Amino acid sequence: QVQLVQSGAEVKKPGASVKVSCKASGYTFTGYYMHWVRQAPGQGLEWMGWINPNSGGTNYAQKFQGRVTMTRDTSISTAYMELSRLRSDDTAVYYCARDLQAVTPGGYWGQGTLVTVSS
Amino acid sequence: QSALTQPASVSGSPGQSITISCTGTSSDVGSYNLVSWYQQHPGKAPKLMIYEVSKRPSGVSNRFSGSKSGNTASLTISGLQAEDEADYYCCSYAGSSTPWVFGGGTKLTVL
Repeated sequence: QVQLVQSGAEVKKPGASVKVSCKASGYTFTGYYMHWVRQAPGQGLEWMGWINPNSGGTNYAQKFQGRVTMTRDTSISTAYMELSRLRSDDTAVYYCARDLQAVTPGGYWGQGTLVTVSS
Repeated sequence: QSALTQPASVSGSPGQSITISCTGTSSDVGSYNLVSWYQQHPGKAPKLMIYEVSKRPSGVSNRFSGSKSGNTASLTISGLQAEDEADYYCCSYAGSSTPWVFGGGTKLTVL
């Protein structure tokens, strides 16, 4: 069965960077896009971008361009999301989410990683 | 890209039907049949309930249905059950620059 297992909670200071991992199993990692979605406390879902694990190609939401980098390591079926120049309003749960099929985001979700930005 | 517009809350009694709307623009909902709906219980990851406007993933109850008219998509839940109480989010494809945009979410209360 498809599983996405994310790395553990992080606490960072403003201005620092955070890198969240998402290890996939149960399917061919390179066959489906991986999206990253975040959710601030008590708020809604916000799409951050996707990575094509086959080619490494990415597409980021305009809001995050210049601050986010999505990468992958196909040898260990793991996707990564790095967010730099952290601010307090970046405090959120960050999810990885695999396409169900082409152009269908969020068919499968990781458990989420809480990133807290605090001085 | 602005978020899609959803009502903040809806409610219904067990057995009733409710509909949640999701209003976008001609650049997103109105242009593509790529609207998805997600259910999220407190402290849990979202779950895909509807994709491509009206398709259900395997395992999702047929009490959940989706539709679209113009720039507005809708999720209908029939035969409301207590376990349907959750937050619901719509999502639409919005073109190549920022491909995906979510709605603000709707809290469903089963009375």
